[in-house]
Amino acid sequence: AQSVTQPDIHITVSEGASLELRCNYSYGATPYLFWYVQSPGQGLQLLLKYFSGDTLVQGIKGFEAEFKRSQSSFNLRKPSVHWSDAAEYFCAVGASGGSYIPTFGRGTSLIVHP
Amino acid sequence: GAGVSQTPSNKVTEKGKYVELRCDPISGHTALYWYRQSLGQGPEFLIYFQGTGAADDSGLPNDRFFAVRPEGSVSTLKIQRTERGDSAVYLCASSFAGPSYNEQFFGPGTRLTVL
Repeated sequence: AQSVTQPDIHITVSEGASLELRCNYSYGATPYLFWYVQSPGQGLQLLLKYFSGDTLVQGIKGFEAEFKRSQSSFNLRKPSVHWSDAAEYFCAVGASGGSYIPTFGRGTSLIVHP
Repeated sequence: GAGVSQTPSNKVTEKGKYVELRCDPISGHTALYWYRQSLGQGPEFLIYFQGTGAADDSGLPNDRFFAVRPEGSVSTLKIQRTERGDSAVYLCASSFAGPSYNEQFFGPGTRLTVL
């Protein structure tokens, strides 16, 4: 079965600073990978996804993520964080050889200081 | 168009009671999913419907949990003999077709509190 580890429970950055949120997955074959954002009172929103092809994936709101098979990682990055980016971020992995239902990590809470 | 809606937004019940949580998916989406999110955790898969039938119910924790989607649109998650450990946010999502390659759109969730 697949699994996801998000090692950072909280990340604090200053507005305008760059951001990297870490995600490591465990799955025997090529995974489907996702990043979702959850703002207070809002539903989960898909930021970006990787199924195959180019390992650098562009998403909405200026986010990108890079799939690194050798490191089993799919880290999320943004060059300049805005105060409105403060939210909970979830990495998820889907089994490309199975049911495709995503398994989510526990999330990383992003705090943005002015 | 309208997104996924869930009712009620909050539900408080007593231990041992029966509850129903409702999900209205995006119109035209054939796939519907239920997840449970406990405090400080990511969503945990419960069940997935393709049309009216449950295509994968491997995430239901025990037989107190049951879900239906009789007409292939609205779904109801039913929990019998609620326990305090059932307290969580229950999320519903829908997608145009099955989970392969298709983005899931999530509702805002129903927060269930069992006293």
